[in-house]
Amino acid sequence: DQQVKQNSPSLSVQEGRISILNCDYTNSMFDYFLWYKKYPAEGPTFLISISSIKDKNEDGRFTVFLNKSAKHLSLHIVPSQPGDSAVYFCAAGAGGGADGLTFGKGTHLIIQP
Amino acid sequence: DAGVIQSPRHEVTEMGQEVTLRCKPISGHNSLFWYRQTMMRGLELLIYFNNNVPIDDSGMPEDRFSAKMPNASFSTLKIQPSEPRDSAVYFCASSFSHSSYEQYFGPGTRLTVT
Repeated sequence: DQQVKQNSPSLSVQEGRISILNCDYTNSMFDYFLWYKKYPAEGPTFLISISSIKDKNEDGRFTVFLNKSAKHLSLHIVPSQPGDSAVYFCAAGAGGGADGLTFGKGTHLIIQP
Repeated sequence: DAGVIQSPRHEVTEMGQEVTLRCKPISGHNSLFWYRQTMMRGLELLIYFNNNVPIDDSGMPEDRFSAKMPNASFSTLKIQPSEPRDSAVYFCASSFSHSSYEQYFGPGTRLTVT
């Protein structure tokens, strides 16, 4: 049973436009959420995170929104750039950081020139 | 800092052989995680250690899989005997878990079992 779901395997967006990646979760014990970015033949790299006590966190072009009642989070990238083309993983954690993360299956973002 | 180091980067072996994957976490990090990535199941947690002690190995698929962390700077994941369905990319990650959920991943080991 998938506790973290990314229902869009891929997403194509024009350069300069906004990219919106979505993630849903089922486990109410999750209290921290992260987005990772992955290029081919590399490990995932941390992008941005949000605690469950917040509903928004912003870092430059990247903003993560959390809707706890809907158990939904989204990553907004604006404006989208060619270097943003990668696989994006949503991850969730509980237990204060000492436990492992639960990952979604990823969304392949393609930025079209 | 060199980041998390994994070796080998690629491993091709025949069914039935023993495979050992290696990981050196970031210096000062106290937690280490082993993940496996496949097309079918995505990124799944296999086992993790806190302060060199295995905490949860419920993600290890079978008894053929074992992991050790003899000291703070080294961990191994062993598969014996290997099977074709073990073919995947195996990632090691580390974190300073007392203060952060953020995990730092190595480049992964691509394992192919023929």
